[in-house]
Amino acid sequence: KQEVTQIPAALSVPEGENLVLNCSFTDSAIYNLQWFRQDPGKGLTSLLLIQSSQREQTSGRLNASLDKSSGRSTLYIAASQPGDSATYLCAVLRNQFYFGTGTSLTVIP
Amino acid sequence: DVKVTQSSRYLVKRTGEKVFLECVQDMDHENMFWYRQDPGLGLRLIYFSYDVKMKEKGDIPEGYSVSREKKERFSLILESASTNQTSMYLCASSPPQVNYGYTFGSGTRLTVV
Repeated sequence: KQEVTQIPAALSVPEGENLVLNCSFTDSAIYNLQWFRQDPGKGLTSLLLIQSSQREQTSGRLNASLDKSSGRSTLYIAASQPGDSATYLCAVLRNQFYFGTGTSLTVIP
Repeated sequence: DVKVTQSSRYLVKRTGEKVFLECVQDMDHENMFWYRQDPGLGLRLIYFSYDVKMKEKGDIPEGYSVSREKKERFSLILESASTNQTSMYLCASSPPQVNYGYTFGSGTRLTVV
């Protein structure tokens, strides 16, 4: 069974800092990888979707990379803002989506 | 934009009650999913469906059933609610092609007392 790990579980940074969130998975035979954001008590909002044939995707201040061979993805957030405070989840698709438990990010003004 | 709508944001039910959680999507997606999310356990798949009247068990189907009578609607049923079913329930949908991701609803926070 696919195992997805996100490290760190929690992260606190001052506003303006660039940061990297990590996601690792055990089975490299995936179709795609999706990064989500979840605000407290809310559903999941899709941030970026990377196909298995792609190396990275960018949206605004967000950049996600994928290295299938090593079973890793990173989400890079540039110039962090207090509004970026949320839990970030990665999910990998094989026969179903497998989710990590998330990284809780706090950006301090 | 795809929209996945869950009918209730918060629900409080009593032990033993039959509970219906409704999910509707408006983009003609074939695939629909029900997850529950608990602290420290992440998202766990309860049931999914790839077509009308079709259902498959996920990782934790015990105590739940589902119904998909129409393509756009996927209902999760707790036949006899128990306190250990207190959780956040999330519905998602996707097209059948693997190069598309999931779209989630806003979640239903269910408390069983």
